Amino acid sequence: AQSVAQPEDQVNVAEGNPLTVKCTYSVSGNPYLFWYVQYPNRGLQFLLKYITGDNLVKGSYGFEAEFNKSQTSFHLKKPSALVSDSALYFCAVISGNTGKLIFGQGTTLQVKP
Amino acid sequence: DAGITQSPRHKVTETGTPVTLRCHQTENHRYMYWYRQDPGHGLRLIHYSYGVKDTDKGEVSDGYSVSRSKTEDFLLTLESATSSQTSVYFCAISSGQSSYNEQFFGPGTRLTVL
Repeated sequence: AQSVAQPEDQVNVAEGNPLTVKCTYSVSGNPYLFWYVQYPNRGLQFLLKYITGDNLVKGSYGFEAEFNKSQTSFHLKKPSALVSDSALYFCAVISGNTGKLIFGQGTTLQVKP
Repeated sequence: DAGITQSPRHKVTETGTPVTLRCHQTENHRYMYWYRQDPGHGLRLIHYSYGVKDTDKGEVSDGYSVSRSKTEDFLLTLESATSSQTSVYFCAISSGQSSYNEQFFGPGTRLTVL
């Protein structure tokens, strides 16, 4: 079965510190990996994606993510967190075999001043 | 927001009544999707469309039907609403003409079934 796991319901970090939001996946075929962010009472916004190529991908608002095939992970990172980064973050994967997007359950990021 | 609108934005209805949610896009995208968002579940795919009159089921399709008679409109119908269908519903499109591209989401519809 295809799935995405975000092992942390919430991540707390101080402003200015680096942040990591974890994601692991299980799919058949080549994975297409995505990160989305959702601010309160808003729709989801696309942050970045990995299709192929360089394992480190850069996206919007200074975020980046590292694809690790051997660990089947795609962790979201940012070198210096901002209070305005506080939001709900979703990892998602499209299986190369199905073309359907599967979401993790989401991780709430709380950045404190 | 890739020109996606949803209507209504909020709705309260009673158990057993039919409900139709509308998704409208202005950029001629081929693929359109309906998801529901519930705490602890992320977003789950209800139905999707890969062209006019071409639709297929997603992960949680029971109790829902869809129609797409025009490229720009994708309708989600709850035949007989139940309390378990209380949720936030999001419409999405896939950028370009491929289902493997990033998706862009509408603002959502909050549905409450009493």
